[in-house]
Amino acid sequence: DVKVTQSSRYLVKRTGEKVFLECVQDMDHENMFWYRQDPGLGLRLIYFSYDVKMKEKGDIPEGYSVSREKKERFSLILESASTNQTSMYLCASSLFLRGRNSGNTIYFGEGSWLTVV
Amino acid sequence: ILNVEQSPQSLHVQEGDSTNFTCSFPSSNFYALHWYRWETAKSPEALFVMTLNGDEKKKGRISATLNTKEGYSYLYIKGSQPEDSATYLCASMDSSYKLIFGSGTRLLVRP
Repeated sequence: DVKVTQSSRYLVKRTGEKVFLECVQDMDHENMFWYRQDPGLGLRLIYFSYDVKMKEKGDIPEGYSVSREKKERFSLILESASTNQTSMYLCASSLFLRGRNSGNTIYFGEGSWLTVV
Repeated sequence: ILNVEQSPQSLHVQEGDSTNFTCSFPSSNFYALHWYRWETAKSPEALFVMTLNGDEKKKGRISATLNTKEGYSYLYIKGSQPEDSATYLCASMDSSYKLIFGSGTRLLVRP
């Protein structure tokens, strides 16, 4: 079974702190994603990556950065946490998606609940 | 940015009822439509990935259809059970390869 592991499930951080959210997948997937979930807004894409050292902005990248130094690991970084970044963050991975009829399933981690006070 | 919409936002049904939800998405540059089931405190779990107009997929009591020309997909649950209670998410992918999610339909099945 594919496993996507988010090492920190619940975090409380202070405004201005630097925060790292780590995600590891064990299926050699090329693609990795970071989403955040807020009530009534659905899952919104922050950043995604198609390969090592490669990253692309999603729909809400402001205030975030990412790092993909190894294929299995994709880190989300909040350089200076703010209270509006209090949310649930979901990491996901999939095989490479290219072309029409790209029917590859995306696999999710269990989520990281971040509270910024 | 894709605009993926799901309706209804929430649904309460009795055990044994059949139910369905709608996902609408932009039909231009369509690549794939995903359905996920998300139970509280768990990871979203993939139900179906559909890519072709007219696709129909089935998994036990759950099935889905896809109309890419008009930009909608239906998810059906036959004979709902309490364990079907979850949030059902759809997501659409276009030529940008981003998977854009709707806000989900929250289903509660009463015993």
